[in-house]
Amino acid sequence: DAGVIQSPRHEVTEMGQEVTLRCKPISGHNSLFWYRQTMMRGLELLIYFNNNVPIDDSGMPEDRFSAKMPNASFSTLKIQPSEPRDSAVYFCASSLQGQGDSPLHFGNGTRLTVT
Amino acid sequence: ILNVEQSPQSLHVQEGDSTNFTCSFPSSNFYALHWYRWETAKSPEALFVMTLNGDEKKKGRISATLNTKEGYSYLYIKGSQPEDSATYLCAFMEYGNKLVFGAGTILRVKS
Repeated sequence: DAGVIQSPRHEVTEMGQEVTLRCKPISGHNSLFWYRQTMMRGLELLIYFNNNVPIDDSGMPEDRFSAKMPNASFSTLKIQPSEPRDSAVYFCASSLQGQGDSPLHFGNGTRLTVT
Repeated sequence: ILNVEQSPQSLHVQEGDSTNFTCSFPSSNFYALHWYRWETAKSPEALFVMTLNGDEKKKGRISATLNTKEGYSYLYIKGSQPEDSATYLCAFMEYGNKLVFGAGTILRVKS
């Protein structure tokens, strides 16, 4: 089992550029989560999907952020246009069933720096 | 906004010491409580998922208890080792809502 795979590991971009983060969940998991880690707010949920359908996107900061899950094995988080305050580590996680009953399996994260 | 509080914020212990920390959460509408270990430069790793009041779970030298009526969970580490150094996160979920993480307890074990 390869675990949750995220790419890229590091992304440095200039303000105003589009950024796309990618995630491949563990095969067979039907829930996928995008988290952002910052010093100020810790680990905060941005959006999560059940069976490829977005369930709760109330954590998405603003319209510049969007997420898709076109199939069970792939998801993207896009920021357009990016701003320096978006700099953070973004984690993708998957679980077998929802949030409560099953543990989350996290990817290694993407460290985003927007200059 | 759900309030999930962890204490202490950080802890420094000597190798061989036993230690424990607390996760406090709202006591109404409980659904589940998770514990994760997060080592530096790695990603969070699940330790326990607890759903029933009175649950006690154990993995090696680490164990956890759950009291949903009073809204707390304890994580215990027996005979701490340097490799136990990490941030320990708890996450709480109420019915119909999302998992909310605490800020974590940073544990440093000196050899």
